[in-house]
Amino acid sequence: KAGVTQTPRYLIKTRGQQVTLSCSPISGHRSVSWYQQTPGQGLQFLFEYFSETQRNKGNFPGRFSGRQFSNSRSEMNVSTLELGDSALYLCASSLGTDPSTDTQYFGPGTRLTVL
Amino acid sequence: KNEVEQSPQNLTAQEGEFITINCSYSVGISALHWLQQHPGGGIVSLFMLSSGKKKHGRLIATINIQEKHSSLHITASHPRDSAVYICAASTLPGGATNKLIFGTGTLLAVQP
Repeated sequence: KAGVTQTPRYLIKTRGQQVTLSCSPISGHRSVSWYQQTPGQGLQFLFEYFSETQRNKGNFPGRFSGRQFSNSRSEMNVSTLELGDSALYLCASSLGTDPSTDTQYFGPGTRLTVL
Repeated sequence: KNEVEQSPQNLTAQEGEFITINCSYSVGISALHWLQQHPGGGIVSLFMLSSGKKKHGRLIATINIQEKHSSLHITASHPRDSAVYICAASTLPGGATNKLIFGTGTLLAVQP
């Protein structure tokens, strides 16, 4: 089975621009979660999508949004980029049926640099 | 105070040593995860447990639900074990959702 893939792997943007990141989950997985990792804040939960619906959301401003398609692929969008948005963005997929037994499988991440 | 606390933050060991990394949490959880992150960013899920103890090769994870504490042990450590180890709690927001709250990670360096 192919693992979780994320595109692009690296991205450089300037302040004020917007960016869209893509995540393709493992086949059969219906849940996709997004995380932000920075040296200062560590790993933080952004949001989770299950069957095209946002099921849970972390404490991030509305500039961060996402969506999920019928094939479970997910995208996240960040508008009006700020320098502090520079981070590694990770997505993880799982079956999504039971968080007490669901293993999350992480993608390699997209490293976003905002100049 | 963070909802998930890890200790130590940094750990240097000699090859062959027994290693313990600790994780305490203050939130209600459905499961506790141990993750491994190598330089370059890739994260691998090592264990997910909601009670008792799990073992995989040289790695052992335990959890004490009453004390809200988990430990990750590495027996006969090897330089290839060098990585950041992160504990994360699947919280109980109500309903079947996935939301992880992460500890700050433990940077492990195993010297030959």
